[in-house]
Order: sequence, then C-alpha cells, then structure tokens
Amino acid sequence: QVTLKESGPALVKPTQTLTLTCTFSGFSLSTYGMRVSWIRQPPGKALEWLARIDWDDDKFYSTSLKTRLTISKDTSKNQVVLTMTNMDPVDTATYYCARTNSSSGLVFDYWGQGALVTVSS
Amino acid sequence: SNELTQPPSVSVSPGQTARITCSGDALPKKYAYWYQQKSGQAPVVVIYEDSKRPSGIPERFSGSSSGTMATLTISGTQVEDEADYYCYSTDSSDNHRGVFGGGTKLTVL
Repeated sequence: QVTLKESGPALVKPTQTLTLTCTFSGFSLSTYGMRVSWIRQPPGKALEWLARIDWDDDKFYSTSLKTRLTISKDTSKNQVVLTMTNMDPVDTATYYCARTNSSSGLVFDYWGQGALVTVSS
Repeated sequence: SNELTQPPSVSVSPGQTARITCSGDALPKKYAYWYQQKSGQAPVVVIYEDSKRPSGIPERFSGSSSGTMATLTISGTQVEDEADYYCYSTDSSDNHRGVFGGGTKLTVL
C-alpha cells in the first residue's frame, strides 16, 4: 500500500526558509522509475507544479521558482525534502507531494493529504 | 514553456454530457492528463496520456486530444462528478517540468 504524508511548519514568517518533508511508504525511491514531485495550491486557486526528484537523483524545478527551491531525498528514511527560501505571503498554500511511477507514464498516481503553510508575520 | 488554458467553469444538468477543454501550444507533442479534485481532497487522476482511463474510474470519463486542444468528456454526468478539474502536461522543451491548467469548476445542477 502506497502512502505519502507531508509534514512541516504550519506558519512561517516572511523572508524565512520553509522546509517540508514528504514521508512515504509502499515503494522505494531507489527503484528504477520512481519519482516524487511537490505541487502546491493557494487557497481557492489552481494547482502549481514545483519540483521533482527521480530514483537516480535527477532533479527538476519550476522555471519561475527554481532560484528558491531545493529538493532532496533520503532513501534510507523514505523521505523527500523540499526547501523554499525567502517565503512571502503569496506562498501561502497547501503543499502536496505526489508519486510518479514511470511504468504508468507521468501520472501522479498517489498523493499525500497536503500540508497547509501560511506565511504571515 | 507550456501554458495550459481551461474555461473557469462549466455547468451541466445531471445525465447530460460535460466537456472541459484544455488548450496549449505543446499539446500536439505532449500528453494531457486530467485530475479531479473535490473540495478539501487531494486530486485524483481520471484520464492519463490523453485518453487512457485508470482502473476504478467510471467509463463515463473519457479523454481526447487534437492539435492544441485536449478535452475531458463526462457522459451521463452525475451529481457526484461536481468538482474542480485540472489538466496537466509537461514543458514543451522536455518531459520533466510540469504545468497545470487553471482549473475548471464543474457544476452539476
């Protein structure tokens, strides 16, 4: 059974760095074809793809946010970490992590429940 | 890049056919994926690679793509299909950077 769960601070101040952790089970990110992405959704707004890390440690970032994002993985802990620097109130959103298994193409087949992060002083 | 444009809202009566479109310049070369998101829940894929339906998704959901437009069709729409629908695809330069459309609110009334 595949599960993912996001964790991190619910509230961050402007200019701070956000660190979110996606802890997953039911698959290994060292297995060929496995990928984990971060996706966010501001309240009442659309989904936005942020970053992805692959089984071979390849990393990809949103063009518009790449200077602020870092994605990494700890295979032994079954975790993927996303850091976002210089947080701003517009970054207030629910942050999701989601799995892709390349045997199913680029589908996000499993999602976490999401973690709401509010940016406010 | 690959921007995807969706209508903000679509309304249908129960039993009718709903069509939600997604336009993007890279869609002739890239697959479209469709996600359904109900209030307070994480998205769920209903169509992948333009027209494939995952197991467990009702047959009334179908997808197609032609030129720069992908379409999600819900035949015999049911009240429980009321949700936000997002198309998704990848950057025109590679298959690595993702992009979502702005979402379409489907109202069934």
